[in-house]
Amino acid sequence: DAGVTQSPTHLIKTRGQHVTLRCSPISGHKSVSWYQQVLGQGPQFIFQYYEKEERGRGNFPDRFSARQFPNYSSELNVNALLLGDSALYLCASSIFTGGQGATEAFFGQGTRLTVV
Amino acid sequence: AQTVTQSQPEMSVQEAETVTLSCTYDTSENNYYLFWYKQPPSRQMILVIRQEAYKQQNATENRFSVNFQKAAKSFSLKISDSQLGDTAMYFCAFRFNSGTYKYIFGTGTRLKVLA
Repeated sequence: DAGVTQSPTHLIKTRGQHVTLRCSPISGHKSVSWYQQVLGQGPQFIFQYYEKEERGRGNFPDRFSARQFPNYSSELNVNALLLGDSALYLCASSIFTGGQGATEAFFGQGTRLTVV
Repeated sequence: AQTVTQSQPEMSVQEAETVTLSCTYDTSENNYYLFWYKQPPSRQMILVIRQEAYKQQNATENRFSVNFQKAAKSFSLKISDSQLGDTAMYFCAFRFNSGTYKYIFGTGTRLKVLA
């Protein structure tokens, strides 16, 4: 079975540009989350989507946005890129089990974004 | 706010030996999970072990086990019979069992297993 897939794997952008990162969850997983991992740090929560609705947002500026599509894949968009946006962007999917909570998150290999 | 602290930036262990990675966390909640994830150079975060806060019994997965001390808010990972493939960054993470289910990660411990 395919795991969480992210594209592209590497990306170089110039300050001020816009970037779109893509994520396909594990089949059957309806929840997708995005994390930013700056070099030497643990991942920081950006967004979570479930059934195409935003369920949570971390402490990131409005330049960051995301959406989830009917097939549960997701895009993360970042506008007006800054040097500080250089990081590994991780996507994770999980299953919500209603009253039982959620399964653990399964992560993709990430997109390495470099802003120059 | 919830925080997760890993006080050991780097550790090393000889192959076949045992090593313990430390993690402390802070929360006022009662319903949460704790996780250890491994991130090898391939970058993919891989679940090592998870612990439900309401369970007193420590979780075990093959060579990996945890020492969960809820009152002390401590969640250490013990790796027995260390293997070269265990070399990686290890992240401790906290997650609520409701709401956004977002993860709060520590800063990680880089573990190197020596031949």
